[in-house]
Amino acid sequence: AAGVIQSPRHLIKEKRETATLKCYPIPRHDTVYWYQQGPGQDPQFLISFYEKMQSDKGSIPDRFSAQQFSDYHSELNMSSLELGDSALYFCASTARTGSGYTFGSGTRLTVV
Amino acid sequence: AQKVTQAQTEISVVEKEDVTLDCVYETRDTTYYLFWYKQPPSGELVFLIRRNSFDEQNEISGRYSWNFQKSTSSFNFTITASQVVDSAVYFCALTPLLQGAQKLVFGQGTRLTINP
Repeated sequence: AAGVIQSPRHLIKEKRETATLKCYPIPRHDTVYWYQQGPGQDPQFLISFYEKMQSDKGSIPDRFSAQQFSDYHSELNMSSLELGDSALYFCASTARTGSGYTFGSGTRLTVV
Repeated sequence: AQKVTQAQTEISVVEKEDVTLDCVYETRDTTYYLFWYKQPPSGELVFLIRRNSFDEQNEISGRYSWNFQKSTSSFNFTITASQVVDSAVYFCALTPLLQGAQKLVFGQGTRLTINP
């Protein structure tokens, strides 16, 4: 069965650079969530999209932006990267509320 | 607001022992889902179980079992006859059962180490 695809799996960037993370949800899933997990931390909600519209926003820095495209894939854009942005970034998708969040394998971002 | 508390930061047991991971939650919603996820050292989040707040039946899946007690707002997870491959960080999570996109709220996680 198709799963949530995230790319890239690993990314190394320097401070002040930009990064774009991509998420391809399960087919027919219309909702995408982004989470950030720092070392030794639990995943923290960043932002979600339902039917290509932003539906909720968590503790996402102003330097980050995201969108969901017409094919339902989503991109998280991160600018002016800081060392503290180093984390595992997860994308999850659902077809409807609580129907079963399927997580991607995550993108490990390292800022040096 | 929702909150999930996993008071046990780390647990270490010897293989074949039984171990219980505690999860206590707070929510004002009358209907909600509870989840458990496993995060092995490779980093991915592996879905283990989803429980609807309507259903307080305990569930068993092989060596895994879950005890949902709505009266105490707890959703504990027991591994019977633990194995080294069970070593991972385990997260309990909560989301309201409402229309629209609802985020998952995670507990702090419990790092479980099974020693041979």
